[in-house]
Amino acid sequence: EDKVVQSPLSLVVHEGDTVTLNCSYEVTNFRSLLWYKQEKKAPTFLFMLTSSGIEKKSGRLSSILDKKELFSILNITATQTGDSAIYLCAVTTGANNLFFGTGTRLTVIP
Amino acid sequence: EADIYQTPRYLVIGTGKKITLECSQTMGHDKMYWYQQDPGMELHLIHYSYGVNSTEKGDLSSESTVSRIRTEHFPLTLESARPSHTSQYLCASRKQGGAYNSPLHFGNGTRLTVT
Repeated sequence: EDKVVQSPLSLVVHEGDTVTLNCSYEVTNFRSLLWYKQEKKAPTFLFMLTSSGIEKKSGRLSSILDKKELFSILNITATQTGDSAIYLCAVTTGANNLFFGTGTRLTVIP
Repeated sequence: EADIYQTPRYLVIGTGKKITLECSQTMGHDKMYWYQQDPGMELHLIHYSYGVNSTEKGDLSSESTVSRIRTEHFPLTLESARPSHTSQYLCASRKQGGAYNSPLHFGNGTRLTVT
């Protein structure tokens, strides 16, 4: 059964902390892994990862994929209260399926 | 800036009413999806479409139906709304094809409350 598992389920940190969110997957015919940030409304796209070991970076956020160990991490450095959100990981497959994890709820307190 | 639009943003209706949630995208994407999400919970796929006249049920059993008569339009209909349908409904689309599947673009969602 295809699945995507995110951990932790929720996390509370202080502003300025660095956090690492995890996403592991077991799917048939992996194609890509995507990270989304969801605040009150719809998820917004952060990164798409297709190759192992190549870090994608956008400001204080970065992500990397390990296709051998079947996981990805999303790092956020110097967290701000605006980073508070649910972070969703999704995996696409060759059968054109898309599987979402349950998300990690990040709360950044001042 | 959103290229995928959902209306209405909020809807409160009584039990037994028929409703249609609208979703349109201007990106020419072939693939479109409807997800249901309760507050703070995971996304559940309820319907998807790979193109005109193609519709499939998703992982979560749903009493809703969809249609895809035009590429840009993917409405979701509830024939008889019930309180158990209270949820947020997210529409999404992505581009067909390529070696690596493209990211999903989401609409802003419709928050439905059935009283």
